[in-house]
Amino acid sequence: NAGVTQTPKFRVLKTGQSMTLLCAQDMNHEYMYWYRQDPGMGLRLIHYSVGEGTTAKGEVPDGYNVSRLKKQNFLLGLESAAPSQTSVYFCASSYVPGIAYEQYFGPGTRLTVT
Amino acid sequence: EDKVVQSPLSLVVHEGDTVTLNCSYEVTNFRSLLWYKQEKKAPTFLFMLTSSGIEKKSGRLSSILDKKELSSILNITATQTGDSAIYLCAVGMNYGGSQGNLIFGKGTKLSVKP
Repeated sequence: NAGVTQTPKFRVLKTGQSMTLLCAQDMNHEYMYWYRQDPGMGLRLIHYSVGEGTTAKGEVPDGYNVSRLKKQNFLLGLESAAPSQTSVYFCASSYVPGIAYEQYFGPGTRLTVT
Repeated sequence: EDKVVQSPLSLVVHEGDTVTLNCSYEVTNFRSLLWYKQEKKAPTFLFMLTSSGIEKKSGRLSSILDKKELSSILNITATQTGDSAIYLCAVGMNYGGSQGNLIFGKGTKLSVKP
């Protein structure tokens, strides 16, 4: 039981390049989330999904896209990376609220955009 | 605007000290308050407090929710160097399709010196 895993762990991009971050969970959770964490800013929600085939915008969605084609996977895409997207990205998952509310986090992806 | 504020932002103590971390919130339709510990990587879940469970304890850690004052405290007694981490407070709300979402504070960085 791996919990929540993220690929890759580190990445360096040049401005304008694109990439996809993969999040996978093996806990059969319905809800999945993408956050970014910047120094002094806490965790900010980028996009989230309440089930397979659904996605919704969070607090800071601009410049990112997501897809949830399979229940266990949640992909975060950067179409044209910018230096402002340099951050640590965390994926999380949870059961349906009302059953349990805590979110389980992956180990993070450190992204640097030069 | 919904917000979660933690104080202090950083704290340095010596082993054996007792510390109190604070979290206050202004949100619509409060559902739950969660505490996480973040060492070098992913945040790990500590406690969840709701209207039906306003006090939690686990070993040297304890937390209380004050719904009247819209705040919570996290106490750590007999601190150890292994308690050094960022402690995150998050609040969940009840509304619509985003009822699983959490709003995070910026965190309190605790450093415990030998």
